[in-house]
Amino acid sequence: NAGVMQNPRHLVRRRGQEARLRCSPMKGHSHVYWYRQLPEEGLKFMVYLQKENIIDESGMPKERFSAEFPKEGPSILRIQQVVRGDSAAYFCASSLVQPWRDGYTFGSGTRLTVV
Amino acid sequence: TQLLEQSPQFLSIQEGENLTVYCNSSSVFSSLQWYRQEPGEGPVLLVTVVTGGEVKKLKRLTFQFGDARKDSSLHITAAQPGDTGLYLCAAFTSGTYKYIFGTGTRLKVLA
Repeated sequence: NAGVMQNPRHLVRRRGQEARLRCSPMKGHSHVYWYRQLPEEGLKFMVYLQKENIIDESGMPKERFSAEFPKEGPSILRIQQVVRGDSAAYFCASSLVQPWRDGYTFGSGTRLTVV
Repeated sequence: TQLLEQSPQFLSIQEGENLTVYCNSSSVFSSLQWYRQEPGEGPVLLVTVVTGGEVKKLKRLTFQFGDARKDSSLHITAAQPGDTGLYLCAAFTSGTYKYIFGTGTRLKVLA
């Protein structure tokens, strides 16, 4: 596992459809974080998960957005009934333990376009 | 709300010039990271600073953590086109595991 893997790299959805974004963390990492980046802006925290648990979802909209990190398989960020304002780059990062000093390793992101 | 404000927001310079990017906050951080993000990619960690007043060098990049651990700077000497990108500072909010990013500085170095 070369790093944090995200797929798809690009995703186009019509308004009202569902978007599912996948993140496979680095091997052995049990902490996953999702961030959203709008054009010309920095990264905004969405959610922090550990295996089978949501630790902090305070940055995620209460409606239409959900995230999971099951015991087996990748973490999934799910956006239901997408709207144009959901168009953004979504980045996933993972860590072995809480990286107080070392920062995160990020994937290459999924660019969601809602048409 | 703990914020990391970066300045300038945009910077366009000629190859060979020097530049400094700032990251400021009213909060104290136990550590702070700098990342560079290139178009179409995720942020890549450049450095972590931990101690107040600490200075770290990475080739032509010099990072400094303020004495009070509320601010940081990134200085690039003799900038090259390969330095072009979005520079982000980031830190953990005190007492939580929430990791926040600065507003970003978009650097363009012209050949």
